[in-house]
Amino acid sequence: AQSVTQPDIHITVSEGASLELRCNYSYGATPYLFWYVQSPGQGLQLLLKYFSGDTLVQGIKGFEAEFKRSQSSFNLRKPSVHWSDAAEYFCAVGPNAGNMLTFGGGTRLMVKP
Amino acid sequence: NAGVTQTPKFQVLKTGQSMTLQCAQDMNHNSMYWYRQDPGMGLRLIYYSASEGTTDKGEVPNGYNVSRLNKREFSLRLESAAPSQTSVYFCASSESVSSYNEQFFGPGTRLTVL
Repeated sequence: AQSVTQPDIHITVSEGASLELRCNYSYGATPYLFWYVQSPGQGLQLLLKYFSGDTLVQGIKGFEAEFKRSQSSFNLRKPSVHWSDAAEYFCAVGPNAGNMLTFGGGTRLMVKP
Repeated sequence: NAGVTQTPKFQVLKTGQSMTLQCAQDMNHNSMYWYRQDPGMGLRLIYYSASEGTTDKGEVPNGYNVSRLNKREFSLRLESAAPSQTSVYFCASSESVSSYNEQFFGPGTRLTVL
């Protein structure tokens, strides 16, 4: 069965510093991969997705992610973090047996001024 | 466009009480979903509706029922609430049931069962 692991529950970075959030997955074939962001009090919003092709994917708000098949990873990166990036970030993989998504446990990002 | 709306935003129940969470979308999407979010566990699918008139169980359906009232509305009912159902509940919608399609989420309902 597929699974998604986000090893870091909490991460704190200084404003202006670079960011990398880790996502590791277990999946039998080439997965669909997603990153969602949940700002405080809001629902989830799609940041970016990977289906096939170029392994470096650009998303909204200056985020990018790289699919590395050999490492079963899909890490999210941003070169310079802004205070408004403080949120919870979820990695997801699909399709599962029900053609649905499997979500990771989330990483909560805090940004220091 | 409001997107996906959910009511109520907050609710406190006593064990054994019942309640219905409401969800509506104005994007003319065919598919709708109910998730629960618990700390460290991400989002888990409770039920989904691939299209108007159909509903199917997700990963954690026990203790819940759903109704797809029409294309716009998808409600989640707790018949006899239990403390284990304390969670944040999210409704989502997409054009069709496929993990290829982006899901659009509502703001959530924070439910506490005492």
